[in-house]
Amino acid sequence: KAGVTQTPRYLIKTRGQQVTLSCSPISGHRSVSWYQQTPGQGLQFLFEYFSETQRNKGNFPGRFSGRQFSNSRSEMNVSTLELGDSALYLCASAGEGAETQYFGPGTRLLVL
Amino acid sequence: DQQVKQNSPSLSVQEGRISILNCDYTNSMFDYFLWYKKYPAEGPTFLISISSIKDKNEDGRFTVFLNKSAKHLSLHIVPSQPGDSAVYFCAASEGTYKYIFGTGTRLKVLA
Repeated sequence: KAGVTQTPRYLIKTRGQQVTLSCSPISGHRSVSWYQQTPGQGLQFLFEYFSETQRNKGNFPGRFSGRQFSNSRSEMNVSTLELGDSALYLCASAGEGAETQYFGPGTRLLVL
Repeated sequence: DQQVKQNSPSLSVQEGRISILNCDYTNSMFDYFLWYKKYPAEGPTFLISISSIKDKNEDGRFTVFLNKSAKHLSLHIVPSQPGDSAVYFCAASEGTYKYIFGTGTRLKVLA
């Protein structure tokens, strides 16, 4: 079974721009979660989608948004980028009723 | 407020010895805990999990212990191997997919 895939793997943007990241979950997984990883902060939970609905949300500003499509693929959007948004963005998927999440390789975003 | 804490940012262990990674949490409602391993430039890889109804779970060289009264869990790796060198994250949730992660412990296994 193919794992979680994320595109693009690397991205460079400038302050004020917006960015969209994509995540394809493991086949059959309907839950997709997004995390931000920065040095010293570990993984910070952004949000979780299940069957196209946002089910859980972390403590990030409204500039961070996401959506999930009917095929369970998910996108995350960050508008009005700030320097502090530079991070590794990780996506994880889980099967229905399963507690374990499986992570993709991440998208490394650099904001200049 | 950090609900899940890994107070040791790094740990060095000789090959063949035991590695013990610790994790403390503050939310008594957490009912599921996981450990992940992360290599540079890769996403975290699931290692082992434990439900709050248990106090121990083993999988090969990896054992996770949960002490609910102390709100503490630990990951034991025996014997440690150089390939185990990575950053280890513990994570906790209260019945949802909203996992709270610790800041990680970098394990270095010396050959």
